[in-house]
Amino acid sequence: AQKITQTQPGMFVQEKEAVTLDCTYDTSDQSYGLFWYKQPSSGEMIFLIYQGSYDEQNATEGRYSLNFQKARKSANLVISASQLGDSAMYFCAMREGRRASYAGGTSYGKLTFGQGTILTVHP
Amino acid sequence: DADVTQTPRNRITKTGKRIMLECSQTKGHDRMYWYRQDPGLGLRLIYYSFDVKDINKGEISDGYSVSRQAQAKFSLSLESAIPNQTALYFCATSEPGSTDTQYFGPGTRLTVL
Repeated sequence: AQKITQTQPGMFVQEKEAVTLDCTYDTSDQSYGLFWYKQPSSGEMIFLIYQGSYDEQNATEGRYSLNFQKARKSANLVISASQLGDSAMYFCAMREGRRASYAGGTSYGKLTFGQGTILTVHP
Repeated sequence: DADVTQTPRNRITKTGKRIMLECSQTKGHDRMYWYRQDPGLGLRLIYYSFDVKDINKGEISDGYSVSRQAQAKFSLSLESAIPNQTALYFCATSEPGSTDTQYFGPGTRLTVL
């Protein structure tokens, strides 16, 4: 089963409007982390925002916020006041579990990615 | 200067050739990772290393090998390249902690003819 599902292959938004990119996840772990990355056409992967499974508040970073609904296992990215430079591919990713026995580390660290959503911002 | 660098940035090679992709980081992170990206498939983990003496296979390690030469350097090798290894390859680093956020290099675009 897919661990990370992004059901929107492509999204369109008007400049200055808000947009929500969907992400659902599947895990049996109690401790996990959820990440969003942006990949512009130039190809690099840019970290945007992080939400921990125990965080009670939704994460925010500037114009980015994460709508975390733990019971629904969803972690949607909200971009407010879209800009032309927001046009890119967006990936949701999850880091699962903890390997407490590993000296010096407290988590597995591995990320599982969704297939991505292409966002196009129109002027 | 970029914190995570990858060389080469682009490479075209032929089937059967041995290829090495290199990754260096100045972030001082212990953990390093290699991913590949194929269209429509997101990123998939090839290998990861939590420190110089620790190497682990990811979900798609067949046909690849790695070497962690130092804390700052992690190389990926394709012993005998094949066309379906044509992809965009990313190196990433992270530091264990509450978020363990991974930071990516710029990517290497590899084409195997």
